[in-house]
Amino acid sequence: QQQVKQSPQSLIVQKGGISIINCAYENTAFDYFPWYQQFPGKGPALLIAIRPDVSEKKEGRFTISFNKSAKQFSLHIMDSQPGDSATYFCAAMAGYSTLTFGKGTMLLVSP
Amino acid sequence: DTAVSQTPKYLVTQMGNDKSIKCEQNLGHDTMYWYKQDSKKFLKIMFSYNNKELIINETVPNRFSPKSPDKAHLNLHINSLELGDSAVYFCASSQMPDQPQHFGDGTRLSIL
Repeated sequence: QQQVKQSPQSLIVQKGGISIINCAYENTAFDYFPWYQQFPGKGPALLIAIRPDVSEKKEGRFTISFNKSAKQFSLHIMDSQPGDSATYFCAAMAGYSTLTFGKGTMLLVSP
Repeated sequence: DTAVSQTPKYLVTQMGNDKSIKCEQNLGHDTMYWYKQDSKKFLKIMFSYNNKELIINETVPNRFSPKSPDKAHLNLHINSLELGDSAVYFCASSQMPDQPQHFGDGTRLSIL
C-alpha cells in the first residue's frame, strides 16, 4: 500500500522553465510534508518542507503548494537550471512516526 | 566536517556472509535511522532509534540488527546476507522524531 503517490516518474524541462512535481496522500494524520533532493551517489538532502497550517511556502526558486482538502502537495522549481537535475522525493509524516516517501521523480533540465 | 558519515561507502560480499555498516553523526541529534533504497530508488525506513533506544522497527528480517552504542552512533549488522539485500543503505539523524532528517551518503551493498 503506497501511502504517498508521486508523479511524474521522470520529467524533462528546458533551462529557465518551471518544473512541477505532484504528490497525493491518503492518511489525514500526516502533518509534515518535506521534499528531498538526491544527486547520484549522495544521500537525500532536505530541500523545503511544509506543515498543513499554510497553503504555500517559498524558499528561493523552490515553492511548495499544499491543498489540504484535496490531500495533495506539489513542488514548483522556477527558472529551472541544469544543476537542478536530480531525483526529487516527496515525503509525509504523522507526529512522531516515520517518514513515508514517494517513489521519486527524476528531473533533467536541458541546457 | 561531515554531519552524517557512513562507512564503508561500498561493500561487495558473497551470499551467506555477515557484514556491518557504521554510522556516526556529529550534529548532536537524539534520533537516528536506517533506510534501504532499492534498485528503483524507493526509500523505506528500517529502524529508528531515539536516545539509544529502538523506537521503530519496520518489517525487516531479524538478520538485520541495529546497535546504538551511544547517541552519535547507529551501526547496522546483517547476518547471512542474501541476494535481495543488495541495495543502498542510508543512515540519517534528526534532533527529534518529528524534526528534519539529515542523511549520510549511503553504503552500496552488493551481494555476489
